[in-house]
Amino acid sequence: QQQVKQSPQSLIVQKGGISIINCAYENTAFDYFPWYQQFPGKGPALLIAIRPDVSEKKEGRFTISFNKSAKQFSLHIMDSQPGDSATYFCAALNDYKLSFGAGTTVTVRA
Amino acid sequence: GAVVSQHPSWVICKSGTSVKIECRSLDFQATTMFWYRQFPKQSLMLMATSNEGSKATYEQGVEKDKFLINHASLTLSTLTVTSAHPEDSSFYICSAERGGAGETQYFGPGTRLLVL
Repeated sequence: QQQVKQSPQSLIVQKGGISIINCAYENTAFDYFPWYQQFPGKGPALLIAIRPDVSEKKEGRFTISFNKSAKQFSLHIMDSQPGDSATYFCAALNDYKLSFGAGTTVTVRA
Repeated sequence: GAVVSQHPSWVICKSGTSVKIECRSLDFQATTMFWYRQFPKQSLMLMATSNEGSKATYEQGVEKDKFLINHASLTLSTLTVTSAHPEDSSFYICSAERGGAGETQYFGPGTRLLVL
């Protein structure tokens, strides 16, 4: 059973637009929430991560928003570029183990 | 820094044979490595946690006799799929943890296994 629920399954955005991916969790023992980017046939790469005591974190064009009370967090990709076309996974860490969301395939149209 | 390699990158084998996949941390020492399995267009599922010098810890539902894990050194962990069958065909990805808290996992490029 997926411990982290991710939506949407896929999205298409125009170049320069904003991509928004949402995740939700139930286990309050999770204490670290990373986002990964994966290209076809490659391993995932860490994009950005946040701890539950922070409500927002921004790194370049990527921003995580975190709502502890709602047990939800989201990734915003600003000024989306064709090179951002990939699958994005949210994840949550508890006791050294990562639980991944189902993934969102983002397609950026030029 | 923090590069993790896997070998081979892809392998095709006949049903009933065993396949060994290597995971190496190239520029750091990793006390803990993780093995994941990913089916097409699906998420990563943790199979086992590998600790240097001790037995691996397997997730529920993962057959330890089928997926043998050896973490022989601080830079090498191996996964052996024994008596492989077509349903074992998948993308196997390892990660190496640096830092000690499980947060900083660096992923390898993955190994695609096809069992005929």
